Amino acid sequence: DIQMTQSPSSVSASVGDRVTITCRASRNVNAWLAWYQHKPGTAPELLINRASSLESRVPSRFSGSGSGTDFTLTITNLQPEDSATYFCQQTDTIPLTFGGGTKVQIK
Amino acid sequence: QLQLQESGPGLVMPSETLSLNCTVSGGSISNSSNYWGWIRQPPGKGLEWIGTVHYRGSTFYNPSLTSRITISLDTSRNQLSLRLSSVAAADTALYYCVRQEPTFAFDLWGQGTLVTVSS
Repeated sequence: DIQMTQSPSSVSASVGDRVTITCRASRNVNAWLAWYQHKPGTAPELLINRASSLESRVPSRFSGSGSGTDFTLTITNLQPEDSATYFCQQTDTIPLTFGGGTKVQIK
Repeated sequence: QLQLQESGPGLVMPSETLSLNCTVSGGSISNSSNYWGWIRQPPGKGLEWIGTVHYRGSTFYNPSLTSRITISLDTSRNQLSLRLSSVAAADTALYYCVRQEPTFAFDLWGQGTLVTVSS
């Protein structure tokens, strides 16, 4: 199985800050990586597909980059509603696997 | 707007079979562009993909679970189902029904249903 390692496991930042979350795959997944946002009590939401393709309803302050084994989710101009857990998922190889998640808290 | 709603027993006895349904509303499960699947999250642990099915018959299962799982579609009821046999405490989890894009990213999730395996 491809292991997905996210860092940091949690981050606390202020409104307006830039937050960067990394996801590392144990093997090359090319650009087959997705990012999700999960708020407590709600269903997770797909933010970014194929490493950098933003879903249509997602604000442009979210962006994704990377390929191969190293990927980044960046939130610029952090907003209060961005408080959530973010996790990555490789879509390259069965079994599909997820990162452990990064909890983003607003100071 | 398409929505997914999981349903099923919240408590299952060890060694029995866990059965869950997912009702798809606001759209057809027979849409050829989409796949459908199940994901679970044990308490305090990460997400685990269980399996995926397409209405034309393709199925993809997590090798760690393949001997115990069956995922199927009922197009007449617009439902997705999961059967997991011989359950144990380790199968206690929040189970999510999901829609998948052809890229296999999960673009729509249900709210999840908690299943506890206990006697």
